[in-house]
Amino acid sequence: DVKVTQSSRYLVKRTGEKVFLECVQDMDHENMFWYRQDPGLGLRLIYFSYDVKMKEKGDIPEGYSVSREKKERFSLILESASTNQTSMYLCASSVNLAQETQYFGPGTRLLVL
Amino acid sequence: RKEVEQDPGPFNVPEGATVAFNCTYSNSASQSFFWYRQDCRKEPKLLMSVYSSGNEDGRFTAQLNRASQYISLLIRDSKLSDSATYLCVVNQNSGYALNFGKGTSLLVTP
Repeated sequence: DVKVTQSSRYLVKRTGEKVFLECVQDMDHENMFWYRQDPGLGLRLIYFSYDVKMKEKGDIPEGYSVSREKKERFSLILESASTNQTSMYLCASSVNLAQETQYFGPGTRLLVL
Repeated sequence: RKEVEQDPGPFNVPEGATVAFNCTYSNSASQSFFWYRQDCRKEPKLLMSVYSSGNEDGRFTAQLNRASQYISLLIRDSKLSDSATYLCVVNQNSGYALNFGKGTSLLVTP
C-alpha cells in the first residue's frame, strides 16, 4: 500500500512565524504535490515537484515556498505565516504523469493566530 | 469559467436509492478523468478513473462525454457508507497536475 505521511495533523502558529510542513512518501513516486483545502473553495494546488530539486508553481504559490532535496520528501514552507494561511494542507504523490492516481496524506490542519 | 464545475449539493437520498452526479470541465485537451471520494475530515481517495468507453465498479458507474466535456458518476443501491463528498478531477494542460472540482456532498439516510 502507498503511504503518504505528514509531519503534523494539527498545528497552531502565530502570525509572522516560519512554518515547515513535511511530507514523506514511501513508494518511490516521482511527483509530489502540496494543496490547501478551504470550505467553498475546494482543493487548490500550491506547488508541485516532478523530480528531486525541481519545483513548479501551482495556482496559489504566493506566500509559500517548497523544498525537495530527496525523492521521498517534499516540504512546504510558510516564510512568514499570516492568518489567511489558516487552512487544511494536503500533500499528495503520484508515480509519474498526471494520468496516474494521486495518493494523499492525512492532511495538516494549520491555525495561524 | 471554472476549470471543473460540480453541483455542490447536498444530495440527501434514502438507502437503496440511485443517485447521479454531474461534472463539466473547460479544457478540451484534458486526457485524464477521475472521481475521488472524501470523507468528513479525511483526505481524498481515488474512487475510480473514468474511461472514454465508460466503466463500472460494482454499484458505481462513471461516464465521459468528450464532445460535451461532461463526466458523470452513478451510484446504485446507495448505502449509508456512501455518505461523503465526491470530487470530480481532471488533469491540467501541463500534464503533471490535476484540477479538482469543489465536490458534491452526498448524505444517505436510513
